[in-house]
Amino acid sequence: DTAVSQTPKYLVTQMGNDKSIKCEQNLGHDTMYWYKQDSKKFLKIMFSYNNKELIINETVPNRFSPKSPDKAHLNLHINSLELGDSAVYFCASSQGGQGVPAFFGQGTRLTVV
Amino acid sequence: GENVEQHPSTLSVQEGDSAVIKCTYSDSASNYFPWYKQELGKRPQLIIDIRSNVGEKKDQRIAVTLNKTAKHFSLHITETQPEDSAVYFCAASGRRGGADGLTFGKGTHLIIQP
Repeated sequence: DTAVSQTPKYLVTQMGNDKSIKCEQNLGHDTMYWYKQDSKKFLKIMFSYNNKELIINETVPNRFSPKSPDKAHLNLHINSLELGDSAVYFCASSQGGQGVPAFFGQGTRLTVV
Repeated sequence: GENVEQHPSTLSVQEGDSAVIKCTYSDSASNYFPWYKQELGKRPQLIIDIRSNVGEKKDQRIAVTLNKTAKHFSLHITETQPEDSAVYFCAASGRRGGADGLTFGKGTHLIIQP
């Protein structure tokens, strides 16, 4: 069984559209994240979330919003997509939020045309 | 917040030689330093980690060293093999400030020459 899984793996869409990426983890972890990996391979955290608190990286546009229906899921919704949103988005999870390893999903390659 | 610098950005070594990747961090409160390997088109995967109460850790051909005073840590790969070719990321974690989770370096593309 895949520990952290994301869908879809590839997403091609037009500018201005709204899209969602789903993430599920079966590790029983209490903290989940979204990371963005740009064309230069730089990995940057966008959000961290546990069942108590959402922490947003201040550089993330408010067009991006995480939604968590339960502890095992953290979806990413993006409004009004822009060309610059094209990247690979990784979901990850960990037990606890600090000083612990994160386990990554397989990534979603988003291409905005 | 935390800032992690990683060098070099590209490293080419002959198969069988050693490879060393270095990182520095800015936040003295950081206490956990993992290393991830990312193969082309794949997810980052944890290969080794070290905590601030330890100076060195080894796992077969991979070792990590940490100098808390200087705020730098390094990854050492010995007897490199073709399957070691990948992008390697260092990261730091520990202080609450901004988002929880890991702050990554910009990655090192390791190329193993046959």
